[in-house]
Amino acid sequence: QVQMVESGGGVVQPGGSLRLSCAASGFTFSYHGVHWVRQTPGKGLQWVAFIRYDGDNKYYADSVKGRFTISRDNSKNTVYLQMNSLRTEDTAWYYCAKDDGYMSSWYNWFDPWGQGTLVIVSS
Amino acid sequence: EIVLTQSPATLSVSPGERATLSCRASQSVSNNLAWYQQKPGQAPRLLIYYASTRATGIAARFSGSGSGTEFTLTISSLQSEDFAVYYCQQYNNWPPITFGQGTRLEIK
Repeated sequence: QVQMVESGGGVVQPGGSLRLSCAASGFTFSYHGVHWVRQTPGKGLQWVAFIRYDGDNKYYADSVKGRFTISRDNSKNTVYLQMNSLRTEDTAWYYCAKDDGYMSSWYNWFDPWGQGTLVIVSS
Repeated sequence: EIVLTQSPATLSVSPGERATLSCRASQSVSNNLAWYQQKPGQAPRLLIYYASTRATGIAARFSGSGSGTEFTLTISSLQSEDFAVYYCQQYNNWPPITFGQGTRLEIK
């Protein structure tokens, strides 16, 4: 079945870096875009970034632009989120999710989501 | 950025009854709205997209309606497994994609 599995979360100090991974299976990964979405108790669900099926187009939330970089390796069925200059407000559960579209037609709704990985930014 | 406001924040309904959840957009999103269900300790699950189209495998008791700025998710006869938090999400004007703050559906 279609599955997304995140990893790489942990505790990091403010100003530090972390790289999250999202391993996909059960579908033709190279045909689909992937999103990152984060969730905190205070701010709820927040879309973070999207990468097109071939990696040519990337989009970011303003709150992470210039600090986070989304990338993918279609040979490994994996999407990455490189997070630099981390702030305490980046503390959240980070989910990756498959875009329900196909190749150049992305739909921007998320199905399915992974189980999430927790990032804690604290000194 | 489009702001989505969900109401009520918490809804108490008895099993077998109907639940109606609302989502209002700060400007028109056409029918580009999705609904998700999230249970404790789990990731959100897609229920509805294009405001009224059920996702694969979603029970017929879940239905969505609306367009423009006013949307509704209706659960026709609540089952025990339906008590959860529900989120709406717009994808009409992006980036950014935005979510509502959620409605908690609890057992009365």
